[in-house]
Amino acid sequence: DTEVTQTPKHLVMGMTNKKSLKCEQHMGHRAMYWYKQKAKKPPELMFVYSYEKLSINESVPSRFSPECPNSSLLNLHLHALQPEDSALYLCASSQLGLKNTEAFFGQGTRLTVV
Amino acid sequence: DAKTTQPNSMESNEEEPVHLPCNHSTISGTDYIHWYRQLPSQGPEYVIHGLTSNVNNRMASLAIAEDRKSSTLILHRATLRDAAVYYCILRDWAGGGADGLTFGKGTHLIIQP
Repeated sequence: DTEVTQTPKHLVMGMTNKKSLKCEQHMGHRAMYWYKQKAKKPPELMFVYSYEKLSINESVPSRFSPECPNSSLLNLHLHALQPEDSALYLCASSQLGLKNTEAFFGQGTRLTVV
Repeated sequence: DAKTTQPNSMESNEEEPVHLPCNHSTISGTDYIHWYRQLPSQGPEYVIHGLTSNVNNRMASLAIAEDRKSSTLILHRATLRDAAVYYCILRDWAGGGADGLTFGKGTHLIIQP
């Protein structure tokens, strides 16, 4: 199984709502990532988890709160978002410790903040 | 991470070979060259990677210049399904942690029927 599964596929939320994005992989990868992609732009790295611990936070606002409850799951908790946070949110995973390894991406959650 | 430069867009005809260039003049000796592509409305997918020697897989070939300052992704026989944004990425990772991929602007490949 070489799949990264993201749910939901689409999400519309108000600026006062709290919601969560979920990501799951069963490839035994110990590195997991969140990316944000605006329309017609490349993906931008948000967070990196290594062995279920946050290792990189690319200065992401605190209204985005990542969580890695176990080695297969990655969540992104959303609270008090702004309309400019509307984007495609991508999850990815990869093996650790190897420079010549590939990353696997999910199909993304398309988020609209109203 | 070292920077890569790619053309914004390229156009090719179906069933013809496509050569997608990437310049990386500041590449370090331990950087791997990775290529990913992103089809419309999908997440990026891995295409191929290499260090010094040319590489082939079922999707594509990667030709790396002798001085490693440039590389070319070759799609041997393009189909309409190959229309995507292609990203050339250098992975300069050291240590035991995860680094994440840093995407540049990529090349938007258009395939004409």
